[in-house]
Amino acid sequence: KAGVTQTPRYLIKTRGQQVTLSCSPISGHRSVSWYQQTPGQGLQFLFEYFSETQRNKGNFPGRFSGRQFSNSRSEMNVSTLELGDSALYLCASSLAGTGANTIYFGEGSWLTVV
Amino acid sequence: AQSVTQLGSHVSVSEGALVLLRCNYSSSVPPYLFWYVQYPNQGLQLLLKYTTGATLVKGINGFEAEFKKSETSFHLTKPSAHMSDAAEYFCAVSDMEYGNKLVFGAGTILRVKS
Repeated sequence: KAGVTQTPRYLIKTRGQQVTLSCSPISGHRSVSWYQQTPGQGLQFLFEYFSETQRNKGNFPGRFSGRQFSNSRSEMNVSTLELGDSALYLCASSLAGTGANTIYFGEGSWLTVV
Repeated sequence: AQSVTQLGSHVSVSEGALVLLRCNYSSSVPPYLFWYVQYPNQGLQLLLKYTTGATLVKGINGFEAEFKKSETSFHLTKPSAHMSDAAEYFCAVSDMEYGNKLVFGAGTILRVKS
């Protein structure tokens, strides 16, 4: 069974540009969530999607957005990139429902903003 | 609001020695608790989780953790450290109210000396 797949794995962007990251969850999983990992702030929750609806949202500015498609695949977008957006972005998936479900993480997308 | 505190950003043990990584949580409702491990340049791998039932939870690679409600703790242990255990370990909490949103601790880097 394939795991959570994230693309691209590595990318470099310039300040002011925008970026889109993609995530394919484990087959059958309907919940997809995104996290940002930085040395200074650690792992922080961005948002969660379930059945194409945003169910939870973290404390990030509106430049960070996401969506989920009918096949549960998800994308997140960051507009007007800032240097501080350089981070590892992790996608995670789970079956559904409540926090008792096991949440599986992908390998992440490394974003460097220059 | 939920929070997680991991005591000790770095822990160093000798190969074969006991591993003890400390985690305390704060949650206003019964929590779900997780330990994840992250190897360099990789995503997060679930070691174990506590949802309900038995308070001593066994995970992969010989790790286990005990949920102690009175102490609001969920410490991770392994009787005998192996070189391959060197990694960063994250404790996380979620609950029914927040669905699949995980709140992570700052992480503990485990070093295993030969």
